[in-house]
Amino acid sequence: AQSVTQLGSHVSVSEGALVLLRCNYSSSVPPYLFWYVQYPNQGLQLLLKYTTGATLVKGINGFEAEFKKSETSFHLTKPSAHMSDAAEYFCAVTRTGANSKLTFGKGITLSVRP
Amino acid sequence: DVKVTQSSRYLVKRTGEKVFLECVQDMDHENMFWYRQDPGLGLRLIYFSYDVKMKEKGDIPEGYSVSREKKERFSLILESASTNQTSMYLCASSFLQPPGVWELFFGEGSRLTVL
Repeated sequence: AQSVTQLGSHVSVSEGALVLLRCNYSSSVPPYLFWYVQYPNQGLQLLLKYTTGATLVKGINGFEAEFKKSETSFHLTKPSAHMSDAAEYFCAVTRTGANSKLTFGKGITLSVRP
Repeated sequence: DVKVTQSSRYLVKRTGEKVFLECVQDMDHENMFWYRQDPGLGLRLIYFSYDVKMKEKGDIPEGYSVSREKKERFSLILESASTNQTSMYLCASSFLQPPGVWELFFGEGSRLTVL
C-alpha cells in the first residue's frame, strides 16, 4: 500500500519569503511523486513530478522539489513567495505496475501575506 | 492544451434524486477518473476507467456508479443522492503512460449540494 502525509493544513508566509511545503510518502516499491496545485475555484494542475533520474526536479512558477529516498520525503520549495502562489497544494504518490493508482495527500493551503 | 470539461459547476439536488455528472475530454486520453474532494480529506478516488466500457472501483465507490460509452466521455451517477454525498467532484484524464506514471489533467470541478 502507498500513502502520503502532508503535515498541517495551512501555511502562511510573507511575500518574498521562502515557501516550504512538506510531503512524506510511504511506498513498498520505488515511487513516482507529484505535486499538484489548486487555485481557488479551479481544478488541479501539475506543478512537477519525479519519476526517475535527477532527484531535484523543477516545475512551473519557480517551484522545485527534491526526492530524498532516505527520508521518504518530497518537499516542495520556492525561494520567494508571490501573492499569486496562494492556493492549495497536494502531494501525490503512485508506483510502477499495471493498474496502479495515484494516492493524494490531504492538501495544504498556502497563504501569502503582503 | 488539454481540456477536461465538466458539465455543471454547481448543482443542488434533493435527497433521493438520481444525479448525473458528466465529463468530457478532448485529447483522446485512454484513462479517466472521478474523485471527490472534501476539506481535510484531500482527494479520494471513486471510480476510474482505462478504456471504453471498462471501469474499476476506486477507494470509495459505494453509492456511485459510472458509465463510459465513448472514449471522450465519463459519467458519474448517484443513483439516490444522500446528504453525505455533498462534495466537490473532480474529473481527470490521462494518457496510457507507462504503468505508474499518472500525470492527470483535471476539470474545474462540480460542486454538488444535496438537501
